Amino acid sequence: DTGVSQNPRHKITKRGQNVTFRCDPISEHNRLYWYRQTLGQGPEFLTYFQNEAQLEKSRLLSDRFSAERPKGSFSTLEIQRTEQGDSAMYLCASSPDRGLETQYFGPGTRLLVL
Amino acid sequence: AQSVTQLDSQVPVFEEAPVELRCNYSSSVSVYLFWYVQYPNQGLQLLLKYLSGSTLVESINGFEAEFNKSQTSFHLRKPSVHISDTAEYFCVVRAGNDYKLSFGAGTTVTVRA
Repeated sequence: DTGVSQNPRHKITKRGQNVTFRCDPISEHNRLYWYRQTLGQGPEFLTYFQNEAQLEKSRLLSDRFSAERPKGSFSTLEIQRTEQGDSAMYLCASSPDRGLETQYFGPGTRLLVL
Repeated sequence: AQSVTQLDSQVPVFEEAPVELRCNYSSSVSVYLFWYVQYPNQGLQLLLKYLSGSTLVESINGFEAEFNKSQTSFHLRKPSVHISDTAEYFCVVRAGNDYKLSFGAGTTVTVRA
């Protein structure tokens, strides 16, 4: 299976701890996106990379959140000093660098902050 | 900025009955429209998309959606549903000059025998 993969699939942490999620996009996809989905809502955009460059960040991405894509391949999303409101599904998607190409989503990482 | 409204949060339907999921959007620029589906315990998958051309678009499993610019709608329909169509369906908008997707809140379709 060469789809988008995300690890871990589930994470339970205590408030105040730091967590890091990983996303491996479909190979050769230059664009990578992070979204967050809370219960009963559709996914909301967090940030977007073209290769290793982070080109856009949502206002939802507070300074406790940081995302990287150091070599233009996999990406990490770190949340520092987690809060209960950070509990959500974190989704990663990727797409080729060609116009209106479809975004392919990974299975997500479900975060629960106690 | 774009916004998407899915008018029904839950749609129960009997097998082989028709179903319509309503979606309205607002945007100050031209848009591209999508329906994504999330089956139980699976990731989001593209169901169909409207980019340009014919306003009626179809999926491989019998769904269709029609782009109506004057009513800013992109309703999804299927004339006869199967148990396997049980899933959550998201209407999605992308502005013509942007990469990020804007999702509706989703409609859960439950098909009963």
